[in-house]
Amino acid sequence: QVQLQESGPGLVKFSQTLSLTCTVSGGSISSGGYYWSWIRQHPGKGLEWIGYIYYSGSTYYNPSLKSRVTISVDTSKNQFSLKLSSVTAADTAVYYCARETRFGVVTYYYGMDVWGQGTTVTVSS
Amino acid sequence: SSELTQDPAVSVALGQTVRITCQGDSLRSYYASWYQQKPGQAPVLVIYGKNNRPSGIPDRFSGSSSGNTASLTITGAQAEDEADYYCNSRDSSGNHGFGGGTKLTVL
Repeated sequence: QVQLQESGPGLVKFSQTLSLTCTVSGGSISSGGYYWSWIRQHPGKGLEWIGYIYYSGSTYYNPSLKSRVTISVDTSKNQFSLKLSSVTAADTAVYYCARETRFGVVTYYYGMDVWGQGTTVTVSS
Repeated sequence: SSELTQDPAVSVALGQTVRITCQGDSLRSYYASWYQQKPGQAPVLVIYGKNNRPSGIPDRFSGSSSGNTASLTITGAQAEDEADYYCNSRDSSGNHGFGGGTKLTVL
């Protein structure tokens, strides 16, 4: 059973870069059909999709965050990572990593079927 | 990201049926997925595709779609179903979006 675990600093200073890692256990990050994703949730608010990476390295980012986001993968460590630059208080949130699975053969459909527990990141001045 | 709209709050009497809806242009081409989130917990996938439930999700949860609207139906709502529910979809470019979430209260 695949499990995900986020790790990284819980406190980041204003204007610096937030860096988080998601470790995948119980399965290979190099398996096809999975999109390794980051999602965040501001305090008391809804979910915001940040972006994903495929094991091949191809990425897609939320257009509203694209200029500040980098998602990378390290297949040797079975990990993927998030970097968010130039953070402000608006980046204070719970950050989740998740696996999005592509289902189907002829017609594809998708679902984020495995989630990490989430990690709280606070941006301080 | 893909724009999806949900009602902020819905209530249902214990044991009754409730439908939570999600609207967006991307839903004309792509199925929504639905997530349940309880306070302090990570979201859990409850419905994906046309009407598929992951292992462990009760069969009182079902999904449907018509035009630009996707629906999550809970038939015979239980107290433990009280939670926030989010829809998600992607568009043709691979961009994703979540709906704003619906807070379900079971009375």
